[in-house]
This record gives sequence, C-alpha cells and structure tokens, in this order.
Amino acid sequence: DSGVTQTPKHLITATGQRVTLRCSPRSGDLSVYWYQQSLDQGLQFLIQYYNGEERAKGNILERFSAQQFPDLHSELNLSSLELGDSALYFCASSVTGGLNTEAFFGQGTRLTVV
Amino acid sequence: GQNIDQPTEMTATEGAIVQINCTYQTSGFNGLFWYQQHAGEAPTFLSYNVLDGLEEKGRFSSFLSRSKGYSYLLLKELQMKDSASYLCAVRGPYSGSARQLTFGSGTQLTVLP
Repeated sequence: DSGVTQTPKHLITATGQRVTLRCSPRSGDLSVYWYQQSLDQGLQFLIQYYNGEERAKGNILERFSAQQFPDLHSELNLSSLELGDSALYFCASSVTGGLNTEAFFGQGTRLTVV
Repeated sequence: GQNIDQPTEMTATEGAIVQINCTYQTSGFNGLFWYQQHAGEAPTFLSYNVLDGLEEKGRFSSFLSRSKGYSYLLLKELQMKDSASYLCAVRGPYSGSARQLTFGSGTQLTVLP
C-alpha cells in the first residue's frame, strides 16, 4: 500500500457526461500529480499541484481540470467525455525537498466511457 | 521538454539476466527513476539515479550516464513474477518546490519458463 488513495476504483459513464476523480496523497506529501494511461500508451502527465497551487501542466485537455484543496486532497474533473477518454487515471504524490524523492502512486481509477 | 526512449518489448528466460535500456533528451535533469508496473496496477518504485554510476538493490541494478543521456535497468535471476512493464522516468528542472516526472512508454518484459 503506497499510502495514496484514489476513488472510485472503477467508473463507467456515457459520452458527454462529467466525472470527478479523487485523490488523497500520502500523509505529509504536498505535491500531487495526475497521469493518464491508455491501453496503447504510457503514462501521460496531465497536471501537477503543490500545496494548493498548480505547478506544471502536461498534455491536459481543456475539457479536463483539476484542483488541490487546503487539506491537500486533489480532484480531477473530466467533462464532455469522449470514448477516447477511457483510460486508467493515476494520482501520485511526493514529498518536497531532497533529491531522491520518488513519487508514490495510487491504485488508479479505471474510467470507461460508453 | 523531455523525450524518453525505451524498447517496447523484451523477452527473457527464467533465471537469466536482462538489461532494459533507456535514453533521454531533456532540457533539465534532476534524476532518473525506474518503476515496475504490472498490468492494471499502480507503478511501483524500483530505483533512482542522479549521479553517474551503478546503483544496486538486490536483484535489480540501475546505471546512469548523464553525459550520454543513457540509463539501464539490470534484472538478475529472473523470476516469472518479473513479467511486467518497466518504466523509465526523468525528473525535470526545479520549479519552485516541485519537479515534474516524465515517463517513457515502458518496456514490456515477458519472462518465459
């Protein structure tokens, strides 16, 4: 158990809908990262938050947004869903400071858009 | 930006040694990570290199050459449970108190009996 909690584990929804994925980082971790992993692709970095503020943006669509709350949990909002958004969505967290600080991953949310 | 290349697939035999290579081009470098990911599961941390040389951790070792933009993961005494995807990831430039981790597409290793 990495200490990173993601809910829900599975989500099935229809095209055009909106969903919210939730992530609770490890205790003490201030950085949260969101990744998308499709069947035929590697982990694609979406967005990163640090202590409530957006720090870096990757290949995140405009239909997607995220935020990190004062208690450091984060939510990824996906709207106007398309079939191609079906993927595993991972959240990871890491401590700040130090050089050898790896990111710990949650178990992911498997999103299926039908 | 960062560009990371790894072989897509590799096959090896139980008990053997396998080396998975990773090359990268990056505008800033703050360390290279290797993760293991079984199908449908979360990536789990294997090793970290920030200085040139070899880091050994049991059956797993990882090597880094920053001047060549090159790393490899060495797996010894392969076991069937080592069949998984191995992800090379590069940590980017320092930005405030956070660093972005960019992943390669992963190398799917199949261990045969």
